[in-house]
Amino acid sequence: DARVTQTPRHKVTEMGQEVTMRCQPILGHNTVFWYRQTMMQGLELLAYFRNRAPLDDSGMPKDRFSAEMPDATLATLKIQPSEPRDSAVYFCASGLGHSGNTIYFGEGSWLTVV
Amino acid sequence: DAKTTQPPSMDCAEGRAANLPCNHSTISGNEYVYWYRQIHSQGPQYIIHGLKNNETNEMASLIITEDRKSSTLILPHATLRDTAVYYCIVSKTGTYKYIFGTGTRLKVLA
Repeated sequence: DARVTQTPRHKVTEMGQEVTMRCQPILGHNTVFWYRQTMMQGLELLAYFRNRAPLDDSGMPKDRFSAEMPDATLATLKIQPSEPRDSAVYFCASGLGHSGNTIYFGEGSWLTVV
Repeated sequence: DAKTTQPPSMDCAEGRAANLPCNHSTISGNEYVYWYRQIHSQGPQYIIHGLKNNETNEMASLIITEDRKSSTLILPHATLRDTAVYYCIVSKTGTYKYIFGTGTRLKVLA
């Protein structure tokens, strides 16, 4: 059963620490998305990649957030330094990147910054 | 990308059809309509999508009006497990951007 895998599922960290979230897209999917969900803002698109190249990261705070795809099977979202306002659920999704494409979400990484 | 408008909440009796509306009056000719749902604490789950024609799968039916300015997701026999937030999304072909709105919180009542 193909699925998007995210790690860690839960993370509690202190303000100022570096946080790295990882995502393994569904095998063969060439488009990867990072979303953030909070009660106040709902689901926000942070960034997305196609064929490992960033297409749009305009939703991401550039000063502390960075997203990369070191290879086709791994996407990372890094926050450095973390702040309490970064507390949220971070979802990764992947898709095939063509017309009528659907995207499939992982179960999310729950981040709490204290 | 076209914006979507959905009612914030709806109730449905268990076993009855749940009809969830979505307005997308600024939709363009090459934009698909997608529906996802999110059950508490889980990742959004794909339900169905369409361009012009009505669509049906094992989960739901999607009815798109002829002018494409609105659509309705139909869950034919709602169960308690269908209680979730349902999102209607319009995504332009080739942009790969899926912008989520606030969705409709559907509560299925026993």
